[in-house]
Amino acid sequence: DAKTTQPPSMDCAEGRAANLPCNHSTISGNEYVYWYRQIHSQGPQYIIHGLKNNETNEMASLIITEDRKSSTLILPHATLRDTAVYYCIVTGANNLFFGTGTRLTVIP
Amino acid sequence: NAGVMQNPRHLVRRRGQEARLRCSPMKGHSHVYWYRQLPEEGLKFMVYLQKENIIDESGMPKERFSAEFPKEGPSILRIQQVVRGDSAAYFCASSPGTSGYTFGSGTRLTVV
Repeated sequence: DAKTTQPPSMDCAEGRAANLPCNHSTISGNEYVYWYRQIHSQGPQYIIHGLKNNETNEMASLIITEDRKSSTLILPHATLRDTAVYYCIVTGANNLFFGTGTRLTVIP
Repeated sequence: NAGVMQNPRHLVRRRGQEARLRCSPMKGHSHVYWYRQLPEEGLKFMVYLQKENIIDESGMPKERFSAEFPKEGPSILRIQQVVRGDSAAYFCASSPGTSGYTFGSGTRLTVV
C-alpha cells in the first residue's frame, strides 16, 4: 500500500470549511483513497472514498488531483463535533493501513 | 442492522491470564479485520479473516496472539498470558468484500 503524508494537526473555525490535505505520491493505478475519522477513542468512522474522480456525500467532499498524487478532504461547514483525528488511507488490498492522521480541532 | 458488535467494551486482566475479545460482524459481512491501538498512537493492522480462514496475519505478534472466525458465531481474538504491554484498544471491522469497512466501538483491554 502506498504511503500517505498528512499534517499532524489543524485548526478550523466553527462554521467554516475545513480542508484536510493528504499526499500520496506513490499511489498506484488500482489503489483507492479512503478517509476515516476517529472521534476521541471511538471506533473509526468511514467518511468517503474515491479512485480518481471527485466524490461528494452528505458528510464531505473528496478532491483528488489529476495525477492522483494528492487529495483534499473538505468538510464544508465544520462543527464542534467534527473535532477528531482524520486518517487518509490509500489501499488496493483487503485491509486498511492507518498512519498518524491529522488532528482537527474545530474552534468555537 | 446492529453494526459491528464488540464485547466486552472493557476488559481487565491480571498478568498471565487469557483475554478473549469477540467481534460480531455486520449482517451479510464475511470479512473481519482486527486492529490494535496503543495510547496516543494510530491503529495497527493485526489480522484479516474470512469465514474459517485466516487471509493475512502479517500484523499479529508471533506468540500468544491468535484469531479465528468460525463458520458459526463471532470472530475471536485471543491473547494468552497477557502482559502490561498488551493494554490497548482493540478494534474490529467487517466488510462484505474488499471495500466498505465498518468498525466496531472497540474493546479496551487493561492488564494489571
